[in-house]
Amino acid sequence: GIQVEQSPPDLILQEGANSTLRCNFSDSVNNLQWFHQNPWGQLINLFYIPSGTKQNGRLSATTVATERYSLLYISSSQTTDSGVYFCAVESGYNFNKFYFGSGTKLNVKP
Amino acid sequence: DVKVTQSSRYLVKRTGEKVFLECVQDMDHENMFWYRQDPGLGLRLIYFSYDVKMKEKGDIPEGYSVSREKKERFSLILESASTNQTSMYLCASSRTTGANVLTFGAGSRLTVL
Repeated sequence: GIQVEQSPPDLILQEGANSTLRCNFSDSVNNLQWFHQNPWGQLINLFYIPSGTKQNGRLSATTVATERYSLLYISSSQTTDSGVYFCAVESGYNFNKFYFGSGTKLNVKP
Repeated sequence: DVKVTQSSRYLVKRTGEKVFLECVQDMDHENMFWYRQDPGLGLRLIYFSYDVKMKEKGDIPEGYSVSREKKERFSLILESASTNQTSMYLCASSRTTGANVLTFGAGSRLTVL
């Protein structure tokens, strides 16, 4: 299967700081999504971004499929941004098979 | 909004018991998935289904079975629960056409004693 590596594994920020989370993947992908898992375990889709750049408020994401990586930018972080961020990719050869990274655990301190 | 509802938020079962985890989605999605999440391991796919009565094994199907008798409902079954099946179980659904965006339920935290 596809290997998905996320970095950093843990991140502590002061409220108001900016951060960049990275997702590297080992093979061609059909689909890439970023998720936020809140402290209660709910996974929320942030971006569907197989290629290009998207922005949603303080969050933006860029995927460079040819170089097999994606970046999630968080600007002016807030305590509510705390949680775990996952990257998930769908194989370009095996549709509906999603591979998840181990996540980046973010703690935003007031 | 797509809603994926998992029947139980927390369950405690004993070794050897049969366990049913139910998942219902209300947006007519073709695909449904069961994942388990363990610390440090991310999410791992147990089974998925792309149509009624159709199923495919994921990466860790051993010890689990699934049932999809209706399009909106996908059940995960632990025939004989074991302590190493203590985990968070997450159900998701998605469309086949267009953007294949996964939508997750709130999760079911299972403890097997």
